[in-house]
Amino acid sequence: GEDVEQSLFLSVREGDSSVINCTYTDSSSTYLYWYKQEPGAGLQLLTYIFSNMDMKQDQRLTVLLNKKDKHLSLRIADTQTGDSAIYFCAETLYNQGGKLIFGQGTELSVKP
Amino acid sequence: DAEITQSPRHKITETGRQVTLACHQTWNHNNMFWYRQDLGHGLRLIHYSYGVQDTNKGEVSDGYSVSRSNTEDLPLTLESAASSQTSVYFCASSPAREGEQFFGPGTRLTVL
Repeated sequence: GEDVEQSLFLSVREGDSSVINCTYTDSSSTYLYWYKQEPGAGLQLLTYIFSNMDMKQDQRLTVLLNKKDKHLSLRIADTQTGDSAIYFCAETLYNQGGKLIFGQGTELSVKP
Repeated sequence: DAEITQSPRHKITETGRQVTLACHQTWNHNNMFWYRQDLGHGLRLIHYSYGVQDTNKGEVSDGYSVSRSNTEDLPLTLESAASSQTSVYFCASSPAREGEQFFGPGTRLTVL
């Protein structure tokens, strides 16, 4: 079945690295995404990775994909207070027409 | 600038009333989606459309309907609002069936 799981909360100190984890159950994922939601706002795409990739780096963001374990992670280097938000992992499945399946979201709190 | 808008941003209604939430995008995207966001569930797909006159049911479609008479708009109708439909509703659009979806700012609906 289709299921995406995330831990609900993460708290880090400003300047530290944050690692947000996600697991998924369906091996037919084509794309895996990380979206960011700030309070009172919609979701904004941070980055995405094709299912045939292992890693993607984009400035302070590093995405790691372990297909064997169906595990996706987002690392934010030098975390800032402006990074405080809810982060959603999502996937699209092969031949499912682009429908996004979301995890529950991880609330990242960055303390000065 | 092209954008996606939702209206109203906040709505309070009574059980049994019909409610329509508007979604309008100016990107000329063929693909449009409606999600609801509830604590502990992330975002769940209600309905989606791949083009004019095309509509499809998502994961939680009971009690909701959509229509697509033009490319720009996908209104979401609650036929007879129920308290279980109290939620935040997000509309999204995308240029391709897979890939980034662009989200509106959301509508907070309260059904009393």
